[in-house]
Amino acid sequence: DAGITQSPRYKITETGRQVTLMCHQTWSHSYMFWYRQDLGHGLRLIYYSAAADITDKGEVPDGYVVSRSKTENFPLTLESATRSQTSVYFCASRGGQNGYTFGSGTRLTVV
Amino acid sequence: AQKVTQAQTEISVVEKEDVTLDCVYETRDTTYYLFWYKQPPSGELVFLIRRNSFDEQNEISGRYSWNFQKSTSSFNFTITASQVVDSAVYFCALSYNQGGKLIFGQGTELSVKP
Repeated sequence: DAGITQSPRYKITETGRQVTLMCHQTWSHSYMFWYRQDLGHGLRLIYYSAAADITDKGEVPDGYVVSRSKTENFPLTLESATRSQTSVYFCASRGGQNGYTFGSGTRLTVV
Repeated sequence: AQKVTQAQTEISVVEKEDVTLDCVYETRDTTYYLFWYKQPPSGELVFLIRRNSFDEQNEISGRYSWNFQKSTSSFNFTITASQVVDSAVYFCALSYNQGGKLIFGQGTELSVKP
């Protein structure tokens, strides 16, 4: 079934390392989003993209970098991971029957 | 500013009780969408409902019902005769025109005990 695929599902990395979370959609939805979920904060928007090569900051962008060279891919990079970036990360696209479609999430632990 | 507030952090009920989850939103846009999502212990986000700002009709789907009141900027969610399988975190969210962003509330963790 078409959808959003996030990889990896689980990742443990060390402080200071660079790590990239992948997000791939099988449609051609224009808008894509990255959220992080932390206890007590719900889901907070990190970055979003309106189309290929167009990205913009969300609520909590510091420490993250995104790119969107192809419509279907929207990777999120932590350039130098910190413990405060330990979180569950969700990728989403705007489109589909329900308005938005979410990936299954990536659980990232920074040690 | 766009904002969604779910004031209830945790709710605990006994099976078969009715429970209402509150959601209050803020937006200057006249056109917007409101959503509810369920996040069970497995972690995925499950879509429950989408409502646009021009449709204030209440909705019922089985044991679930939603009350949308623009006058109080609220979009509350009621589960009738709760069941253990309803135990989850529930998120209310708002989407508005600018950037198509989806703004989430902090979530309400519902625990239904047998």
